Amino acid sequence: DGGITQSPKYLFRKEGQNVTLSCEQNLNHDAMYWYRQDPGQGLRLIYYSQIVNDFQKGDIAEGYSVSREKKESFPLTVTSAQKNPTAFYLCASTSTGIPTGSNQPQHFGDGTRLSIL
Amino acid sequence: AQTVTQSQPEMSVQEAETVTLSCTYDTSENNYYLFWYKQPPSRQMILVIRQEAYKQQNATENRFSVNFQKAAKSFSLKISDSQLGDTAMYFCAFMNNNAGNMLTFGGGTRLMVKP
Repeated sequence: DGGITQSPKYLFRKEGQNVTLSCEQNLNHDAMYWYRQDPGQGLRLIYYSQIVNDFQKGDIAEGYSVSREKKESFPLTVTSAQKNPTAFYLCASTSTGIPTGSNQPQHFGDGTRLSIL
Repeated sequence: AQTVTQSQPEMSVQEAETVTLSCTYDTSENNYYLFWYKQPPSRQMILVIRQEAYKQQNATENRFSVNFQKAAKSFSLKISDSQLGDTAMYFCAFMNNNAGNMLTFGGGTRLMVKP
């Protein structure tokens, strides 16, 4: 089945440690996104990438880093500079509509819950 | 920048009845898309319905329909014949046609369907 796979489902971070969240999609989507969700709140965009080897900061990029070396993969690293990393992280992907011109909705993974030890 | 506002943090409805969730947005764009996503306790984000701004006809998907008022920048979701499985957080989202398909989300409405 085509879809988006996020791993791990649960992750714990120690003080001063960097951790990486995995996101893989087999939907042949061009664009991929990372969102953060805090309890009882909506999703906020961290980073997004519309093409391999290119990515852009979202609204809350500080303390995070990403890479896009392959079309299928968009890992997110939560660095030690992110002082409040406890949250639920969602990865999404979509076809950008180039060259079809049709914008498609985003498809989401099942998320990773990150907590501080 | 776009903003999306959901003014109802929580709502409840009796099973089999109808409920309407509100959403307003602010944008200077003319071409955009609007979505309602459902997030059940499993935390999955599930697309419920979408609306293209250039279409005047309101979108409908089975028991779910929208009331899209472009001039008023309003995009409400109506759920008919509510079912227990409709219990979830519902998020309204805005997508700018010219901004990398990025979504701007509202703060969500928690819907409880009571038996």
